[in-house]
Amino acid sequence: DAKTTQPPSMDCAEGRAANLPCNHSTISGNEYVYWYRQIHSQGPQYIIHGLKNNETNEMASLIITEDRKSSTLILPHATLRDTAVYYCIVKSKVDSSYKLIFGSGTRLLVRP
Amino acid sequence: ETGVTQTPRHLVMGMTNKKSLKCEQHLGHNAMYWYKQSAKKPLELMFVYSLEERVENNSVPSRFSPECPNSSHLFLHLHTLQPEDSALYLCASSLLGGAGELFFGEGSRLTVL
Repeated sequence: DAKTTQPPSMDCAEGRAANLPCNHSTISGNEYVYWYRQIHSQGPQYIIHGLKNNETNEMASLIITEDRKSSTLILPHATLRDTAVYYCIVKSKVDSSYKLIFGSGTRLLVRP
Repeated sequence: ETGVTQTPRHLVMGMTNKKSLKCEQHLGHNAMYWYKQSAKKPLELMFVYSLEERVENNSVPSRFSPECPNSSHLFLHLHTLQPEDSALYLCASSLLGGAGELFFGEGSRLTVL
């Protein structure tokens, strides 16, 4: 599976959009981009995933560049409860089981 | 509430004890996972069960012994652990052939004295 690179930490003001970048320059054609987050001392939570089209759900939007070498997770109106570590993971869906390999992620701090 | 329940939430044990962690899901999933999260480290995948068969064992020491009696239950049996095994142990489940979404439990925080 392709490797991802994320900034170790970011912060944003409450109510503003939080844009979390992820580089995955070695991604291959059948690999998806997944985003999870982990609030302190809890299990990771699935946020969104995509292949090449931009995706939106009730939690966030995922913007994938046309060459698919990078993506951005957007939390449109960040709240204090969005403070967490955000993980960007690239994974093929060829495998029958989804053994996701987590990196260090981006620690997002939402400021009041 | 993710539908994946882990017990106990906290466990303190001595190095000579034998204990078990339990994970239960009633989401209709058919793959289950154990992850380990040590302080200030990324999550490490330990074991993967697919249709109740172990399909992945990431070089985990034999003092950790998983068991998957059915698709809804997963255990991690612990014996003769070391203090460095103290960590948060997370269980997850997913649906094979689905969207690739893992549902995690809240974790069992283990302290080995």
